[in-house]
Amino acid sequence: EDQVTQSPEALRLQEGESSSLNCSYTVSGLRGLFWYRQDPGKGPEFLFTLYSAGEEKEKERLKATLTKKESFLHITAPKPEDSATYLCAVQARSTDKLIFGTGTRLQVFP
Amino acid sequence: EAGVTQSPTHLIKTRGQQVTLRCSPISGHTSVYWYQQALGLGLQFLLWYDEGEERNRGNFPPRFSGRQFPNYSSELNVNALELEDSALYLCASSLGFQETQYFGPGTRLLVL
Repeated sequence: EDQVTQSPEALRLQEGESSSLNCSYTVSGLRGLFWYRQDPGKGPEFLFTLYSAGEEKEKERLKATLTKKESFLHITAPKPEDSATYLCAVQARSTDKLIFGTGTRLQVFP
Repeated sequence: EAGVTQSPTHLIKTRGQQVTLRCSPISGHTSVYWYQQALGLGLQFLLWYDEGEERNRGNFPPRFSGRQFPNYSSELNVNALELEDSALYLCASSLGFQETQYFGPGTRLLVL
């Protein structure tokens, strides 16, 4: 069964304190792994798609990496506006649906 | 470019009632997806429509149904509402099969 597990559930960081979020997955034939950001009461905002092990993508203070079993979202020198829930999802080659993890709730304090 | 839009933003219903949620995809996108996000749970896949056809559905009872119109907009219908149907219902659209899905702001449904 396709499955996504994210850790930690919650993370509190001081502004400027870099850290990483983990997404472990099992999927029968990975087509892509997706990272989204979700603010409270809003829809997820697309961040990155990773397709193969070894691939990396960067956007401002965020960098996503992918291995055959997990993905990391590295946050460098975070700011309070980076506070949000970060969602990881996988898509198998055989289907269009996304399988989501339950997310990591990030809080960055000034 | 306008993003995915959903209506209404909030809805309050009572048990046993029926509800219809609406979604307009990004211009040019032909695939529409519906997800349920209940409090404390991850997004759960509900339905996928492409070119007017239902292509896949998640593990939800038949009282969850929908359709896609010729202009690619979509409706999600939920019959015989239950308390546990209270959730944020999210619509996403993509250019086509296995393209990136972009989400709308969601409809918050509360069932009393």
